[in-house]
Amino acid sequence: ETGVTQTPRHLVMGMTNKKSLKCEQHLGHNAMYWYKQSAKKPLELMFVYNFKEQTENNSVPSRFSPECPNSSHLFLHLHTLQPEDSALYLCASSPSLGGGEIDTQYFGPGTRLTVL
Amino acid sequence: GQNIDQPTEMTATEGAIVQINCTYQTSGFNGLFWYQQHAGEAPTFLSYNVLDGLEEKGRFSSFLSRSKGYSYLLLKELQMKDSASYLCAVLDSNYQLIWGAGTKLIIKP
Repeated sequence: ETGVTQTPRHLVMGMTNKKSLKCEQHLGHNAMYWYKQSAKKPLELMFVYNFKEQTENNSVPSRFSPECPNSSHLFLHLHTLQPEDSALYLCASSPSLGGGEIDTQYFGPGTRLTVL
Repeated sequence: GQNIDQPTEMTATEGAIVQINCTYQTSGFNGLFWYQQHAGEAPTFLSYNVLDGLEEKGRFSSFLSRSKGYSYLLLKELQMKDSASYLCAVLDSNYQLIWGAGTKLIIKP
């Protein structure tokens, strides 16, 4: 247990569906992240939130829509996805965005998403 | 562009020692992280290096040479539970983590 939980753990959806991924951290951290992990590829940073404010959007298609209602919760809303969006979506949190070992990122177990 | 290179897969024997290399080319450097990720689980933090040299934590050690853009993770007295992927990541000048694709380590009895 890393203190970061994600639901659901597995999700299968059609291209016309709308679904949401949820992340919750119990570590008192102020920064939260969404990553995409595809097989044999590096982790791709999607979004970064610091104190509920979005600080990074790495050219992510608009069919992915993040929401951060407070520092403990992060959502990723999905709509009209493509089969190539199938991947493991990881959430992470860190004390702040300062960098260094003190701001080590702690990850949740991920949501395995399959788009049919 | 920014790039992190690590071997795709390595195999080692239980009880032995294995070294996983990572080379990087990034815009700036503010530290290097190693994470362990078991299949279907969250990546978990192993080590952090920001100065040249060796950092030891029990059976695991991590080395950094900033001038060579090079790091390695050394695992001693390998156990079956060490079978996992090992991810190298560099904190660049914007304090953003740049990740390698990971090295899958297979431990054989």
